[in-house]
Parts: sequence; structure tokens; C-alpha cells
Amino acid sequence: EPEVTQTPSHQVTQMGQEVILRCVPISNHLYFYWYRQILGQKVEFLVSFYNNEISEKSEIFDDQFSVERPDGSNFTLKIRSTKLEDSAMYFCASSRDRTGNTIYFGEGSWLTVV
Amino acid sequence: GEDVEQSLFLSVREGDSSVINCTYTDSSSTYLYWYKQEPGAGLQLLTYIFSNMDMKQDQRLTVLLNKKDKHLSLRIADTQTGDSAIYFCAETYQAGTALIFGKGTTLSMSS
Repeated sequence: EPEVTQTPSHQVTQMGQEVILRCVPISNHLYFYWYRQILGQKVEFLVSFYNNEISEKSEIFDDQFSVERPDGSNFTLKIRSTKLEDSAMYFCASSRDRTGNTIYFGEGSWLTVV
Repeated sequence: GEDVEQSLFLSVREGDSSVINCTYTDSSSTYLYWYKQEPGAGLQLLTYIFSNMDMKQDQRLTVLLNKKDKHLSLRIADTQTGDSAIYFCAETYQAGTALIFGKGTTLSMSS
């Protein structure tokens, strides 16, 4: 069964550093997403991406964050100048269409900012 | 703002039915979803229901939707050890693609 893959599974970074989280969506999917889950809290939507541009973003997704699809297969989330409160599990997801019933999630990248 | 609420814990005996409840606020949601998260794993789409349906059955899973009360439930028949996980209710935000999740209900087996 096709799956969304994410790397790294766990990253520890120092406060102020930049982090890039990588995702390989399912190959025939057209919509890509990032979500995050701070420990003990809800899974929160960050951004959706379609046709090489951001289609929706939440209030969390400010100038500190950016997304890119650099090579037609990878989908990346860049977090600049990381803060302690950026520590969370970051989930990538992809879907074939925008109805939402085909959204598949990766296993997540656990980011710890120290 | 938009919100999805769930009870945090549910404990059932093996073989019994589990019922996980959820309330949501966005009446424009096109679909409502149940996701399952096992320890150390990602979010697995379990089932979903279209907003104009009242019920959907899929093997041991039954989803009930009360659109008037904005209440969604997931019933798992004959609950097994492998069903132990966190179950997330989710709705689409303003009929878009962003999902709004609840905090998740941890389902565990009692002896």
C-alpha cells in the first residue's frame, strides 16, 4: 500500500537554528499538507499546498515557516530560527483531491528544540 | 472559533462495544472523519462520513452523525486488544481541505 514517508523521524536542534523536515507524498496525490501536534495537545493544521503554491494556511503558519516542493517528489517544511515552543510532532499528509476523504498521513517527524 | 471536542479516555472489556463521541462546531463541514493513532505511528484514516448521511457502517465500525446536534460517534463492535489506540475525530474547516482535530480519545482494554 502506498504511504507518505517522512524524514527525519526525530531531530534535536538548538534554539535559533533552522530545520528542514522532509516528506515524500504518495505519488499520484496532488494536495500536500503539514500538521503539527504539540505533546498533549490537538493535531493542528499548518498549511496546504496545491499546484506549487500555498492554498490554505493557519494562523500558526507565520513568516517563520515555509514550504517547498523542490523536485517534484519531496515536500519540505522549513522552520527558521526555531523556538522552544516549536517542539512538536510534525505530520506530513497528502491527498488525491480536495474532498478530504483521501488524506493520508505520514508517521511524523518529532522535533525537539533545546 | 471552530472546535472539535472529545472525551479523553475510554476503557472497555475485550469483546464489548466501544462508543467514542465527538461534538463539532463547523456546520459547513462536508466530511467528518475518524482517525486512529497507534503508539509511535502516524494518523490512520479509519472511516469518514459525508455530511448528508446519518449513518455509515464498515465491518466492525459504525459511524453515526446527528447534524442537528453536531454530534458524531464511532462504535467499534467486539473491541479487541488491537483496537487500543488514540481515536481522533476531525472535520473539514469551512468545506476546505484543512482538518480540525479533536484532542483524541484513548481507548484501552480493561480486565
